[in-house]
Amino acid sequence: NAGVTQTPKFRVLKTGQSMTLLCAQDMNHEYMYWYRQDPGMGLRLIHYSVGEGTTAKGEVPDGYNVSRLKKQNFLLGLESAAPSQTSVYFCASSYSRIGNEQFFGPGTRLTVL
Amino acid sequence: DQQVKQNSPSLSVQEGRISILNCDYTNSMFDYFLWYKKYPAEGPTFLISISSIKDKNEDGRFTVFLNKSAKHLSLHIVPSQPGDSAVYFCAALGRGGADGLTFGKGTHLIIQP
Repeated sequence: NAGVTQTPKFRVLKTGQSMTLLCAQDMNHEYMYWYRQDPGMGLRLIHYSVGEGTTAKGEVPDGYNVSRLKKQNFLLGLESAAPSQTSVYFCASSYSRIGNEQFFGPGTRLTVL
Repeated sequence: DQQVKQNSPSLSVQEGRISILNCDYTNSMFDYFLWYKKYPAEGPTFLISISSIKDKNEDGRFTVFLNKSAKHLSLHIVPSQPGDSAVYFCAALGRGGADGLTFGKGTHLIIQP
């Protein structure tokens, strides 16, 4: 089992460019999440999904869109990147909301110039 | 406004001694608490969790204590080992609202030989 994988690992964008981060999990988990971590901060929830075809906003959703067309994949899109979106992005998945841990991917380091 | 607070950015402990990491929370709607460990350039990995109906949970060298009246939890690591050197995040899950985790800023634990 690969667990949770994220693509790409690193990316540099110019302001205004767009990109999509891909998260894939092979554990048949219902719940998937996108977090961002900024220096000296904890992880903050961007968007999440409680099942295929569903998405919901987290704490810091502005500037991001997500899609969950397949159960195993959760995509995070930046339509027009801004320097404030420079961060490390983590994807996570879990079997259910509570009683089961969230498994995290290795992260994507994004720099917006 | 931080709902989960880890007031010690770093903690240094001698190998073999007890490490105690602290976490305070403000939101009484949190009903599940978790500790994650994170090495540089990796995603967080789950350590231990506790439900709000309990006051203690133990797993090997790791014990989490929850004091609901004080809105305080702590992670005890006994004995501390060199591999325990990492950043530890306290996280909480709420009864209502977003299904993602609310994280503290983390405590960098350094185990001295």
